[in-house]
Amino acid sequence: DTAVSQTPKYLVTQMGNDKSIKCEQNLGHDTMYWYKQDSKKFLKIMFSYNNKELIINETVPNRFSPKSPDKAHLNLHINSLELGDSAVYFCASSPNQGGGASEKLFFGSGTQLSVL
Amino acid sequence: AQKVTQAQTEISVVEKEDVTLDCVYETRDTTYYLFWYKQPPSGELVFLIRRNSFDEQNEISGRYSWNFQKSTSSFNFTITASQVVDSAVYFCALSEYSGGGADGLTFGKGTHLIIQP
Repeated sequence: DTAVSQTPKYLVTQMGNDKSIKCEQNLGHDTMYWYKQDSKKFLKIMFSYNNKELIINETVPNRFSPKSPDKAHLNLHINSLELGDSAVYFCASSPNQGGGASEKLFFGSGTQLSVL
Repeated sequence: AQKVTQAQTEISVVEKEDVTLDCVYETRDTTYYLFWYKQPPSGELVFLIRRNSFDEQNEISGRYSWNFQKSTSSFNFTITASQVVDSAVYFCALSEYSGGGADGLTFGKGTHLIIQP
């Protein structure tokens, strides 16, 4: 059973379209994240949610909107897609130990988004 | 602000050679966590190790070993007797205690390791 699953694995779309990437974790973790990996392999955090509450919103265009219906799901919706949005998007989760403890992140397998 | 530097963009060695991947970090916290992840050509991110700032003991796991030195803010990773299957991009990452856990990890830019047969 996959611990962190995200769908779809590949997403090819035209500029200007709206698309969503879904993420689910079955680990019972409190915290979920979205990371973006660009063409140079650089991994940068976009958002983090803790128990459905937005904790981090890095400098990301407001065309990107995360939605967490429950603590096991964190979906990413992207409006008006642009060429520069092409990247691999990783969902991740981690348990929340409280007090600042940082457990390892469990990553999904990634969604390769190609905007044409 | 926290920062992770992996100065080696790409390393290429011949199989069975030993190779060390460098990682230097910056943080103002006295409590922090360091990680290494592997990203093989298939693309997934594979956890290798987590080390907290109070544990400076070196760690060995099979052909992998890690050298943590607070004095130089480094957390280097050595692969002994490298194999073709070790070919991947390797990421060093940092998480500060004050980040509350939900800050996630700050990654270095990665080192692309190529093991030639």
